[in-house]
Amino acid sequence: GAVVSQHPSWVICKSGTSVKIECRSLDFQATTMFWYRQFPKQSLMLMATSNEGSKATYEQGVEKDKFLINHASLTLSTLTVTSAHPEDSSFYICSARQGASSNQPQHFGDGTRLSIL
Amino acid sequence: AQSVTQLGSHVSVSEGALVLLRCNYSSSVPPYLFWYVQYPNQGLQLLLKYTSAATLVKGINGFEAEFKKSETSFHLTKPSAHMSDAAEYFCAVSELRSGNTGKLIFGQGTTLQVKP
Repeated sequence: GAVVSQHPSWVICKSGTSVKIECRSLDFQATTMFWYRQFPKQSLMLMATSNEGSKATYEQGVEKDKFLINHASLTLSTLTVTSAHPEDSSFYICSARQGASSNQPQHFGDGTRLSIL
Repeated sequence: AQSVTQLGSHVSVSEGALVLLRCNYSSSVPPYLFWYVQYPNQGLQLLLKYTSAATLVKGINGFEAEFKKSETSFHLTKPSAHMSDAAEYFCAVSELRSGNTGKLIFGQGTTLQVKP
């Protein structure tokens, strides 16, 4: 149980393109979803916290107009990287938590490797 | 503020040897602690969690961790390493504040290498 699906796995696109990444909880309802960015050989950096039906909460330094997050249902959150540039190339990972309690673990997707040419 | 420190960015063991990955936390309140494993080009998989029940927590793949409040530690162990255990391991604490959504604060990660 507690499977999170993230698509696509890999994206290669030209500079200026907008890219949408989907995160789905397949067998549970996720009140809260999280979006992370991971640079090579580094830990995960939280970008934003997304609650179903409300606006996402962005971490300091993360541009909300650059990284658009939508959490329209209890099983789906999307991250759109708008007008992507080479510096946006990274590994993006989503997670979903079942329930509102902070003692519930986050379940992670397999990540999306984004390469901007 | 809560924080997590993983001692040793790289740990190398022989196959069959004991695995010990260290994690120390800082928290003013009883924490919720987690260990995750990440294989190359994949997301994170939950190994085990501590949420104020038994201090010795057993997880998947033969891993276990012991919560020691006096030492503010939550070290991950496995009696006998397998080649398939080679991966990146992350310790995390759930941020606890009033109204907080329980963000995870991750340690820097430890790369486990298993030699034949």
